[in-house]
Amino acid sequence: GEDVEQSLFLSVREGDSSVINCTYTDSSSTYLYWYKQEPGAGLQLLTYIFSNMDMKQDQRLTVLLNKKDKHLSLRIADTQTGDSAIYFCAESMGSSNTGKLIFGQGTTLQVKP
Amino acid sequence: GAGVSQSPSNKVTEKGKDVELRCDPISGHTALYWYRQSLGQGLEFLIYFQGNSAPDKSGLPSDRFSAERTGGSVSTLTIQRTQQEDSAVYLCASSLHGGPVSYEQYFGPGTRLTVT
Repeated sequence: GEDVEQSLFLSVREGDSSVINCTYTDSSSTYLYWYKQEPGAGLQLLTYIFSNMDMKQDQRLTVLLNKKDKHLSLRIADTQTGDSAIYFCAESMGSSNTGKLIFGQGTTLQVKP
Repeated sequence: GAGVSQSPSNKVTEKGKDVELRCDPISGHTALYWYRQSLGQGLEFLIYFQGNSAPDKSGLPSDRFSAERTGGSVSTLTIQRTQQEDSAVYLCASSLHGGPVSYEQYFGPGTRLTVT
């Protein structure tokens, strides 16, 4: 079935790199996404990767995709206190024709000064 | 330009009452999605509208939930005879296009529904 798994919590020091991991089950996923949710706010799209790519870099963000292992990661370089938030990975269901997103349960990133 | 807007931002209702939640998508976006975010269930897909096609209602949890999209723009999610387990944040998203080659979905701030 459709399932996306993430670890629930990550704590890092300001200036360090953060790596948030995600595994998914649907091999037909076409796009994989990372969303950020700050307290009391809606979901903000951070970045996405097409399933035929291995890596995508966008400023401090690096997304790695291992399609064989169905593993996705988000690396945040030089993590800042403003990066503290919940990070959701999501897959777009390629086997359907709607593009609906299946989300992981979210990883809470705590950045200590 | 304006993003996705939702109203009300907060709604408290008594068990058994009906509620209507509204979503205004980004102008020109043809696809509209409703999701629900709750403590126990995380973020769940509810329903999807794309142009004039029949909506994908596969995520609606019961027949108490319904949604419509008038004129290809504004959408209303209706919950009849609300139950306490309906308490959640209801999120609306829109994208330029829908379909398997999915485009970026932009989310509204959500409506926090509390059923007492």
